[in-house]
Amino acid sequence: KAGVTQTPRYLIKTRGQQVTLSCSPISGHRSVSWYQQTPGQGLQFLFEYFSETQRNKGNFPGRFSGRQFSNSRSEMNVSTLELGDSALYLCASNRDVEETQYFGPGTRLLVL
Amino acid sequence: EDQVTQSPEALRLQEGESSSLNCSYTVSGLRGLFWYRQDPGKGPEFLFTLYSAGEEKEKERLKATLTKKESFLHITAPKPEDSATYLCAVQHSGAGSYQLTFGKGTKLSVIP
Repeated sequence: KAGVTQTPRYLIKTRGQQVTLSCSPISGHRSVSWYQQTPGQGLQFLFEYFSETQRNKGNFPGRFSGRQFSNSRSEMNVSTLELGDSALYLCASNRDVEETQYFGPGTRLLVL
Repeated sequence: EDQVTQSPEALRLQEGESSSLNCSYTVSGLRGLFWYRQDPGKGPEFLFTLYSAGEEKEKERLKATLTKKESFLHITAPKPEDSATYLCAVQHSGAGSYQLTFGKGTKLSVIP
């Protein structure tokens, strides 16, 4: 069974630009969550989607947004990039009747 | 607010030298406590889920235990391939979300 996939794996952007990251969950998983990982803050929850609806949101500014499609694939968007947005962005999926989240390999974003 | 504290931040062990990693948590109703392993540049890999105090789970050289305030990950006779960052996370039992709150991790190095 294929795991969670994320594209692209690496991105370099400049301040002020915007970026879109993509996540395909494990087949049969309808819940998708996004996390930001930095050396200083560790893993922090961004948002969670289920059936194309945002179910929960972490404490991040409005520049961070996401969406989920009918096939459960999800995208997250960061607008007006700042240097502090440089991080590993991780997507995780789970079956809605099971609590365990399975993570993808992440997208490494570098903002210059 | 859910909180997770892991100690120590870093641990160096000789191959075969057993030890334990600690995860202290506060959560308003625990749905589950999770252990993940993360290798550099990769996404977290699921290890265990614990649901209630007194529960124990084992996998190869790893054993996870849970009390009402903390969890331990015991590593018996570690090998160099066990070197990784071990992450602990909690999920509270609030309705409708599978959000994980993570600790900052313990970086384990096993020296041959």
